[in-house]
Amino acid sequence: DVKVTQSSRYLVKRTGEKVFLECVQDMDHENMFWYRQDPGLGLRLIYFSYDVKMKEKGDIPEGYSVSREKKERFSLILESASTNQTSMYLCASSGLAEQNTGELFFGEGSRLTVL
Amino acid sequence: AQSVAQPEDQVNVAEGNPLTVKCTYSVSGNPYLFWYVQYPNRGLQFLLKYITGDNLVKGSYGFEAEFNKSQTSFHLKKPSALVSDSALYFCAVRDTGGGNKLTFGTGTQLKVEL
Repeated sequence: DVKVTQSSRYLVKRTGEKVFLECVQDMDHENMFWYRQDPGLGLRLIYFSYDVKMKEKGDIPEGYSVSREKKERFSLILESASTNQTSMYLCASSGLAEQNTGELFFGEGSRLTVL
Repeated sequence: AQSVAQPEDQVNVAEGNPLTVKCTYSVSGNPYLFWYVQYPNRGLQFLLKYITGDNLVKGSYGFEAEFNKSQTSFHLKKPSALVSDSALYFCAVRDTGGGNKLTFGTGTQLKVEL
């Protein structure tokens, strides 16, 4: 089974702190994604990556950056956390086999609270 | 740009009754449509997809979805609901630019009661 692991299930940070959310997948997938989930807004794409060291902005990249130094790892970075970044963050991956089918494999999510 | 709409925030149904969770889409070209389910405090799980072919798509856990091109809809259905089906359901459409970038709806909370 594909496993997408997010390093922290729950985090509490203070405004202005730098926050790292880590995601690792074990299926050698090319594509990795970061979404945030908010009630009434569904999932919104922050950043995605189709290859190592490659990144593309999604629909709401402001206030975020990403890093993909290794194929299996995709990190989301909040340079200076703000209260409006309190949310559930979901990492997902997919491989070439899913390129034409759209199936994504999701991690369990990281619930971030910024005080 | 492509989009999906889920008009109902919540759907309530009695166990054993049929259920429908609605989704409409807007996309240029042929749509690639998906349903995902999220159980409490968990990530999303893929349920089913429509890419081409038969308009009735069968997926996991007894769910199916009906693609209707004239109504631009892709409603999720199950003939007999279970309490364990209670979860948050998301409709999604794949970006027409290729790759696996998906745009999700706002989600519908399904509550199945005894």
